[in-house]
Amino acid sequence: DAKTTQPTSMDCAEGRAANLPCNHSTISGNEYVYWYRQIHSQGPQYIIHGLKNNETNEMASLIITEDRKSSTLILPHATLRDTAVYYCIVRVASGRGSTLGRLYFGRGTQLTVWP
Amino acid sequence: KAGVTQTPRYLIKTRGQQVTLSCSPISGHRSVSWYQQTPGQGLQFLFEYFSETQRNKGNFPGRFSGRQFSNSRSEMNVSTLELGDSALYLCASSLEVRQEQFFGPGTRLTVL
Repeated sequence: DAKTTQPTSMDCAEGRAANLPCNHSTISGNEYVYWYRQIHSQGPQYIIHGLKNNETNEMASLIITEDRKSSTLILPHATLRDTAVYYCIVRVASGRGSTLGRLYFGRGTQLTVWP
Repeated sequence: KAGVTQTPRYLIKTRGQQVTLSCSPISGHRSVSWYQQTPGQGLQFLFEYFSETQRNKGNFPGRFSGRQFSNSRSEMNVSTLELGDSALYLCASSLEVRQEQFFGPGTRLTVL
């Protein structure tokens, strides 16, 4: 699975959009981009994933560049409860491969939302 | 639909003991993965089960083992506990291998 690079920390004012970047320059054609977040001492929470098209759900939007070497997770109206560590992960979601379903978590980005 | 449940939530053991942790996946999910999280190493993959078969294993010593039952529930066992095994152990389930994983709250293991 491709490695990812994320900033160590970011902050954002409550009510504003939080844009979390992720670089995955070695991503393969069959690898998806997944985002998870982990609020302190809880299990990671799935947010969104995508292959090459932009995706949106009730939690966030995922923007993937045309060359797929980077992506941005957007929380449109951040709240204090969005303070968490955000992990960007790339992995194969279908087909053969020795890594199967495992997720490789890096250090993620600590997002702090302030009032 | 109930989420992933893990028992116990907290556990204190002493060095040399063994421990068994349990995970009940979301109803209908057949794939279960286990992860260890420590401040120093972050989240690390332990193993993955699907239909009672271990599909993948991380780089952990043989003291760490697991199994999955026919109802998809899973257990992991750590024998001869060491201080370094103190960690948050997380279980995640998914419908099939490679689909999005949903995590439980974890079991906090402290080894004294």
